Order: sequence, then structure tokens, then C-alpha cells
Amino acid sequence: DIQMTQSPSSLSASVGDRVTITCQASQDINNYLNWYQQKPGKAPNLLIYDASNLETGVPSRFSGSGSGTQFTFTISSLRPEDVGTYYCQQYDDLPPYTFGQGTKVEIK
Amino acid sequence: EVQLVESGGGVVRPGGSLRLSCAASGFTFDDHGMNWVRQAPGRGLEWVSGINWNGDNTDYADSVKGRFTISRDNAKKALYLQMNSLRVEDTAFYYCARVRMATIEGAFDIWGQGTMVTVSS
Repeated sequence: DIQMTQSPSSLSASVGDRVTITCQASQDINNYLNWYQQKPGKAPNLLIYDASNLETGVPSRFSGSGSGTQFTFTISSLRPEDVGTYYCQQYDDLPPYTFGQGTKVEIK
Repeated sequence: EVQLVESGGGVVRPGGSLRLSCAASGFTFDDHGMNWVRQAPGRGLEWVSGINWNGDNTDYADSVKGRFTISRDNAKKALYLQMNSLRVEDTAFYYCARVRMATIEGAFDIWGQGTMVTVSS
């Protein structure tokens, strides 16, 4: 099975800060990597698909990059409504389509 | 409005069974693969099972293989998860999620609100 190592597990940043989360796959997954945001008590919400494509309706301050085994998710200017937990997910070839362990983002 | 609504969760004893349902509306159901994802209280997301657009291809996580069965009824625009031989560790919120494409794998672009399954003696 492909393992996804996401870091950090949590972070605290100020409004307006640039926030970066990384996800490392245990083997090459091409660009088959998605990013989701989950706000407390809510279902996850797709932000980025195929490593770098912004889902329709998602603010442009969110972005993703990477391919192969190393991926990065960035919030260019953190806003209060961005508080939540962010997950990467791979879907290369065979199941299971594993999620990273999540990064909890808080406002300092 | 594009929507997924889960139902069927509840409290069940270890070894028992439950059938979850997911009702889809607002989109062409058989254009999309569908999946179930679960989240134990205070924990992360775990992919459980997926089915392609016409139901002839299904996948399962090792943790549920042989115990859970995913199915769909495109005429009723519904997704199901039959859960047998339930274990305490199956306790979680269960979400149904739509895939952007007709396959099992891909980006999960629409999610339901979830239904809670509690396995306890």
C-alpha cells in the first residue's frame, strides 16, 4: 500500500501569513494527489485535484504543486475562515486510496 | 442543488449488521464513481470502499474486505454499503463521496453530511 506522510501535524499562524503543508508519498504517484479541507463538524471539501488544479469555486489563495513523491499545499494569505484540518489523498493505480494523517491549522 | 444525503447509521452490537444508504440529487448519478470514507471520532479520514459508474467494478480497504459490500442502484440514484460482522473499530462517521469521473478513483468533489455508526456492546 502507498503511505502518505503529511507534515506538519498542526500549525498556528497569523492572519495574512503564508502557510505551507507538505505530503510525501512512499512511491511515485505521478500527479494523482488531491487536497481537502475539513472544518470542525463538517464533511471534507475538495480544494485541489491532480496536484495543482483548483476546484471550481475555491479561492485562489489556495494552491498545490508537486509530482512523483513530493507535494506541497499553500495558503498564500491565511484568513480566519481557513481554520480546519487539511488532508492530502493519493489515488494512483490500485486501492487503497490513502489519505494523509491531516494538518490542523489554527490562527495565532 | 447537487447533494448527497446518507442514512442508516445507528448503534449496533459487535457482530451485527447495518446497511447505509446515500441518496443523490442534482446531478447525473451514473456519470460518476462513488466511494465511502469513514472517520473515527477525533481521527483522520479512511477510505473504505468504491464503485464505478455502472457497478461492475468495486474496491475495498483490507480492513473491511469480506465484511462490507458496496452497491448502487442508478435508477434510484442511490449508493449503499452493507456492513456485516461489525467490530468496535468500525465505529465512525461514514461519508459517501462522488468522484469527478466515472471511475472509482479520482478526486472526491461532492460529500454527504455523514452518518454515525457506533458498534458497542
